[in-house]
Amino acid sequence: DQQVKQNSPSLSVQEGRISILNCDYTNSMFDYFLWYKKYPAEGPTFLISISSIKDKNEDGRFTVFLNKSAKHLSLHIVPSQPGDSAVYFCAASDRNFNKFYFGSGTKLNVKP
Amino acid sequence: KAGVTQTPRYLIKTRGQQVTLSCSPISGHRSVSWYQQTPGQGLQFLFEYFSETQRNKGNFPGRFSGRQFSNSRSEMNVSTLELGDSALYLCASSQGEGQNQPQHFGDGTRLSIL
Repeated sequence: DQQVKQNSPSLSVQEGRISILNCDYTNSMFDYFLWYKKYPAEGPTFLISISSIKDKNEDGRFTVFLNKSAKHLSLHIVPSQPGDSAVYFCAASDRNFNKFYFGSGTKLNVKP
Repeated sequence: KAGVTQTPRYLIKTRGQQVTLSCSPISGHRSVSWYQQTPGQGLQFLFEYFSETQRNKGNFPGRFSGRQFSNSRSEMNVSTLELGDSALYLCASSQGEGQNQPQHFGDGTRLSIL
């Protein structure tokens, strides 16, 4: 049973516009959420995280929103750039910070 | 600080063989996790080691095993290889305790089974 889900396998956005990537989770024990970016032939790179005590965390062009009641988080990229084209994974960890659960990824294509 | 290092980067094996993959975590990181990524799939959790002990385990058969050494370096072993084991195997390290910390990934080992 997949505890972290990314229901959109792909997303295409025009350069300069906003990219919104979504992620849903089922386990209410999760209290730490992360986004990773992955280019082909490379390992995932940590992008941004959020603790369950917050509902928003911003880092430059990247903002993560957390809606605990809906068990939903999203990543906003504004403005989107062609270099942002990659696969984005969301992840969550349990209270013991020992185990990370990953979604299946969303492939973002930012068109010039 | 050096990142997570995985060796080898690419490996070709045949069915029935066994394979050992290596992972050197970021200096000071004591937790090492292994993941399998296949086309169209997310990262499937294999197991996590902390201070030489397996702390968590995913839903993989016993053919998949691992260990961690006193210097936190970790190895993963797959015995009696099957065609379906062809995948990218990723290792990630983190401090493993205390405040929330992200995992940091290596570039993976691409295993192909012929």
